[in-house]
Amino acid sequence: DAKTTQPPSMDCAEGRAANLPCNHSTISGNEYVYWYRQIHSQGPQYIIHGLKNNETNEMASLIITEDRKSSTLILPHATLRDTAVYYCIVGGVQSAGNNRKLIWGLGTSLAVNP
Amino acid sequence: DGGITQSPKYLFRKEGQNVTLSCEQNLNHDAMYWYRQDPGQGLRLIYYSQIVNDFQKGDIAEGYSVSREKKESFPLTVTSAQKNPTAFYLCASSQQGVRGYTFGSGTRLTVV
Repeated sequence: DAKTTQPPSMDCAEGRAANLPCNHSTISGNEYVYWYRQIHSQGPQYIIHGLKNNETNEMASLIITEDRKSSTLILPHATLRDTAVYYCIVGGVQSAGNNRKLIWGLGTSLAVNP
Repeated sequence: DGGITQSPKYLFRKEGQNVTLSCEQNLNHDAMYWYRQDPGQGLRLIYYSQIVNDFQKGDIAEGYSVSREKKESFPLTVTSAQKNPTAFYLCASSQQGVRGYTFGSGTRLTVV
């Protein structure tokens, strides 16, 4: 399973865009990029995932480079409630008999400041 | 609403006692997982189950046991053989396909 590298911490001003980078240079062709966030003492929350195309949902946008070796999660207008640890993970498709495991790193601790 | 329920949220036990953490999901997900999280560390996989009556050890299974008698339930027992049981325990589930995991809110176990 591929591993990811993220900066340990980042700051962002409230109302500004938060751009969280992730390197996954050993990603395989059939592995997806997943982003989660964890607010203190809660379970991680799924944000978004993608394979090679850029993706957007109501929470965030995911930009994946053409070589798929890195990606960026964008929170377009960060609020104080976006303060959390953000995890970038790569993993394959779960299918019958496929013991898919997602490997979790230390993530990026994002502090949104007023 | 569908989701995963972990109970209790906080649990205190004396050293040497076994304790069972509950995890129930009503998402009709096939796979379920138990993770452990320690301060300043990422999630580490304890056990996972792809189908009923089947489960596999994760990276740190020693001192833990699980059962999967029903699709909805995946309880974790922390036995007295676990040397450092105090931690935040997270249960997750997932369905076949590309979607990621759904997590419960966690159980914080403190052994004194």
